[in-house]
Amino acid sequence: DSGVTQTPKHLITATGQRVTLRCSPRSGDLSVYWYQQSLDQGLQFLIQYYNGEERAKGNILERFSAQQFPDLHSELNLSSLELGDSALYFCASSPSAWSSGANVLTFGAGSRLTVL
Amino acid sequence: DAKTTQPTSMDCAEGRAANLPCNHSTISGNEYVYWYRQIHSQGPQYIIHGLKNNETNEMASLIITEDRKSSTLILPHATLRDTAVYYCIVRTSSNTGKLIFGQGTTLQVKP
Repeated sequence: DSGVTQTPKHLITATGQRVTLRCSPRSGDLSVYWYQQSLDQGLQFLIQYYNGEERAKGNILERFSAQQFPDLHSELNLSSLELGDSALYFCASSPSAWSSGANVLTFGAGSRLTVL
Repeated sequence: DAKTTQPTSMDCAEGRAANLPCNHSTISGNEYVYWYRQIHSQGPQYIIHGLKNNETNEMASLIITEDRKSSTLILPHATLRDTAVYYCIVRTSSNTGKLIFGQGTTLQVKP
């Protein structure tokens, strides 16, 4: 158990639908990161939040949005789902926002999304 | 972020040391080298990181060349459970903590 909790573990839905993935960071960590891993794309960075504020943005589609709440948990919202959104979605957390050596990312077990 | 080059795949015999190379010839002086691994569809797992000096922890050793243009991750006694994709990442010094993953090396430990 890494200390980063992601729910749900598995999710099956239909095209056009909307889903929400949830992430609880490790105790004491203030940054949350979202990654997408599909078969043909590898691990892609989507977005980072630090203490409730957006910190960095990667290749996140406009149909996707995220937020980090005051209790530091984060949610990734995926809307107007397409077949190509089927993937593993990982959340990671770290103590701070920056790229210092001590700021190690700890990953959760992931949420597997299947869009039919 | 500095680009890294890793072999696509490697084999290792169980019980032997696994040496995974990584080239990062464009690395800057303040950029760290991180190693993560991913065991079949599980979340990536942190292994070790370093800046200039060699590092060792309970999982592995990291050897960084003096010019910092390459590094080697050493798993001293590989087991079947070490079969995974290993990612070498150079993290740019910036105000974000994101890590950018490449394709990694698939290590197959064989009995």
